Amino acid sequence: GNSVTQMEGPVTLSEEAFLTINCTYTATGYPSLFWYVQYPGEGLQLLLKATKADDKGSNKGFEATYRKETTSFHLEKGSVQVSDSAVYFCALMRTANAGNMLTFGGGTRLMVKP
Amino acid sequence: NAGVTQTPKFRVLKTGQSMTLLCAQDMNHEYMYWYRQDPGMGLRLIHYSVGEGTTAKGEVPDGYNVSRLKKQNFLLGLESAAPSQTSVYFCASSSRVGFFYEQYFGPGTRLTVT
Repeated sequence: GNSVTQMEGPVTLSEEAFLTINCTYTATGYPSLFWYVQYPGEGLQLLLKATKADDKGSNKGFEATYRKETTSFHLEKGSVQVSDSAVYFCALMRTANAGNMLTFGGGTRLMVKP
Repeated sequence: NAGVTQTPKFRVLKTGQSMTLLCAQDMNHEYMYWYRQDPGMGLRLIHYSVGEGTTAKGEVPDGYNVSRLKKQNFLLGLESAAPSQTSVYFCASSSRVGFFYEQYFGPGTRLTVT
């Protein structure tokens, strides 16, 4: 079956530090990959996506590259801000999936200190 | 444009009581979903719907029922609440038009069963 594994948190960084949150997946076929972000007290929002191997998704300074050979989609940001404190979820969507269902990882909490 | 809204935001139930959570979307989306979020487990799909009048089971459907009588609404019911159903519940919707199907999430309902 499909599964997504993320590094456990919390990840605590100082402002302007470099961020990496690891994500690996198991899936049949060629899934699309996503990062969602959940700010305190809110629902999830799409952060970035990649739909095929070697695609790089990017948004708000965050980046992730779809690596088929290592089945990974690690999230990176060069310089984090306090406002980036949130929970980050990696997710996959299988192709030919009636209903466009997502499989989520367990989430990684990021805490950025000033 | 309100997006996805959920009612209520908070609820406390006693074991054995019943309740219905309401999700509404104003984006004319065909697909709607109910998830539960538990610490360290990410989001798990309870039920979903690919159109008005249709529903299907997700990963963790036991103890829940759903209905989609109108395209814009998706109801989640708990007939006899159990403490194991204490969780945060999220509704989401997405369009089936186009190649990429982003899911839009509501703000969540925090349910405690005592």
